[in-house]
Amino acid sequence: NAGVMQNPRHLVRRRGQEARLRCSPMKGHSHVYWYRQLPEEGLKFMVYLQKENIIDESGMPKERFSAEFPKEGPSILRIQQVVRGDSAAYFCASSPISTSGGPSRSYNEQFFGPGTRLTVL
Amino acid sequence: GQQLNQSPQSMFIQEGEDVSMNCTSSSIFNTWLWYKQDPGEGPVLLIALYKAGELTSNGRLTAQFGITRKDSFLNISASIPSDVGIYFCAGPLQKLVFGQGTRLTINP
Repeated sequence: NAGVMQNPRHLVRRRGQEARLRCSPMKGHSHVYWYRQLPEEGLKFMVYLQKENIIDESGMPKERFSAEFPKEGPSILRIQQVVRGDSAAYFCASSPISTSGGPSRSYNEQFFGPGTRLTVL
Repeated sequence: GQQLNQSPQSMFIQEGEDVSMNCTSSSIFNTWLWYKQDPGEGPVLLIALYKAGELTSNGRLTAQFGITRKDSFLNISASIPSDVGIYFCAGPLQKLVFGQGTRLTINP
């Protein structure tokens, strides 16, 4: 059973360009989360999505950032007009189900991908 | 918002020693998760705790959910070189809040 897949692993962009980060959840997982990690810091929540729905985007910057999880295909985190401050590691996590349901508590655990390291020149 | 205070920030130990780290929250948590992150990789889930007072082991790792529901502890017994990395506490669920991490370095 493959884990959470993210690509690309490394992405270099110049200021003003767009960055697209992709995440394929684990098989059987329908919930996707995006986190950002700056050097020497813990991860910070950005957005929580189910298929075709944004459940919670309270951690997303109000401008330039967007996320989607279409019916088919991976989840996409999109950053428009990147700036140097966007340089960070972006991690995707998936879980089988949200906290509101599931036959066992282990369904609430999030499993992380290897991350995409974005560098803005 | 919720904040997690994780300590110590770093540890330098000898191989074979036991390790203890803890995490405190500004609010009550219903779940505590402990992750390990290696350089250039994503966090890997080590232990999940769901009940106050719960003590759970995973090999040489043992974690406890504090009775007050505002803290958690992780212990590693008889450390080995592959234990090197950064350990994060996180909770409560969905919008995970992460501690600042404990960086573990082992001297052979």
